[in-house]
Amino acid sequence: KAGVTQTPRYLIKTRGQQVTLSCSPISGHRSVSWYQQTPGQGLQFLFEYFSETQRNKGNFPGRFSGRQFSNSRSEMNVSTLELGDSALYLCASNANGGYNEQFFGPGTRLTVL
Amino acid sequence: QKEVEQNSGPLSVPEGAIASLNCTYSDRGSQSFFWYRQYSGKSPELIMFIYSNGDKEDGRFTAQLNKASQYVSLLIRDSQPSDSATYLCAVNQAGTALIFGKGTTLSVSS
Repeated sequence: KAGVTQTPRYLIKTRGQQVTLSCSPISGHRSVSWYQQTPGQGLQFLFEYFSETQRNKGNFPGRFSGRQFSNSRSEMNVSTLELGDSALYLCASNANGGYNEQFFGPGTRLTVL
Repeated sequence: QKEVEQNSGPLSVPEGAIASLNCTYSDRGSQSFFWYRQYSGKSPELIMFIYSNGDKEDGRFTAQLNKASQYVSLLIRDSQPSDSATYLCAVNQAGTALIFGKGTTLSVSS
């Protein structure tokens, strides 16, 4: 069974631009969660989608948004990029929602210049 | 502010020794407790989870939970160089997102 895939793996943007990251969960998994990982703040929860609905949201500004499609694939968008948005963005999938037994993808490394 | 605290390390142990990783959490309502391992440049992978007070063993790994003290630990017996990684502790209440600690870096020397 294929694991969680994320594209692109690496991305370089400049301040003020926007970016869209993609995550395909494990086949049959309906829940996708997004996390931001930085050396200073560690791993922080952004939001979770289950069956195309956002169920939980972390403490991030509205510049961070996401959506989930009917095939469970999810996208995350960050508008008006700031230098502090440079991070590893991870998505994790779970079969039936919730946060137990999450499987993480390889991540997208975003650098904002 | 719900917090999960871990010593950043590095924790250095010789091969074959027991590594003890500790985590404290601030939310008394926390119900589920997780340990993830993250190798450098890789994504986190779940090692084990624990819900009830006491010990839970899985191979060389033992998770220990003490809700009264708001403390959870991970013991790694017979540590191997391949165990060298950052270990992340995470907690949550039912239906809420995981709150992660910043991780403890473990180095096992051969």
